[in-house]
Amino acid sequence: QKEVEQNSGPLSVPEGAIASLNCTYSDRVSQSFFWYRQYSGKSPELIMSIYSNGDKEDGRFTAQLNKASQYVSLLIRDSQPSDSATYLCAYGGGSNYKLTFGKGTLLTVNP
Amino acid sequence: DTAVSQTPKYLVTQMGNDKSIKCEQNLGHDTMYWYKQDSKKFLKIMFSYNNKELIINETVPNRFSPKSPDKAHLNLHINSLELGDSAVYFCASSQTSGVVDTQYFGPGTRLTVL
Repeated sequence: QKEVEQNSGPLSVPEGAIASLNCTYSDRVSQSFFWYRQYSGKSPELIMSIYSNGDKEDGRFTAQLNKASQYVSLLIRDSQPSDSATYLCAYGGGSNYKLTFGKGTLLTVNP
Repeated sequence: DTAVSQTPKYLVTQMGNDKSIKCEQNLGHDTMYWYKQDSKKFLKIMFSYNNKELIINETVPNRFSPKSPDKAHLNLHINSLELGDSAVYFCASSQTSGVVDTQYFGPGTRLTVL
């Protein structure tokens, strides 16, 4: 049973477009949700965290959470070539402080 | 200042050897983790320590032994290295607050077993 599912991509968008990344998860007690960005050869870095249903915006990034549908997404507006990376979805829940990661979506933004 | 640091950055060794990776965080966090990222980029939790106490021990061969001398340090010792141990190992830390909160990752240690 896959706990976190993401399209592996690659997802290719032109510069300036909106990139839409999606993630579904199986654990209904999940409390916190994260999007990390990982450049090739680098460590994951946090882009967004979201804990409540609805939208959360931070600059060009918007995270959307729907707990009833067990779905979380990340929109990147005005995509830039520097956004080209693998985006990892993760959720946490329970008392053991564990984050479960998806396999990531490779995003390529073409100039 | 580096928030989460790991040494060494690269580790190349022969099968059967024993090696250690060290991790330190200066964020004042109370929880630290070891993750393994394989060649397909899947990031999987191995261990977690909260206030020096082991709280997560995923299905990891007992050749892997973590050790947390204090809240700021979490080391990983690997005995009898195998080819399949080749991967990037990431250390991470977080501050517990009732919910699972943001984890901050170190730069990673790329382990190659020949």
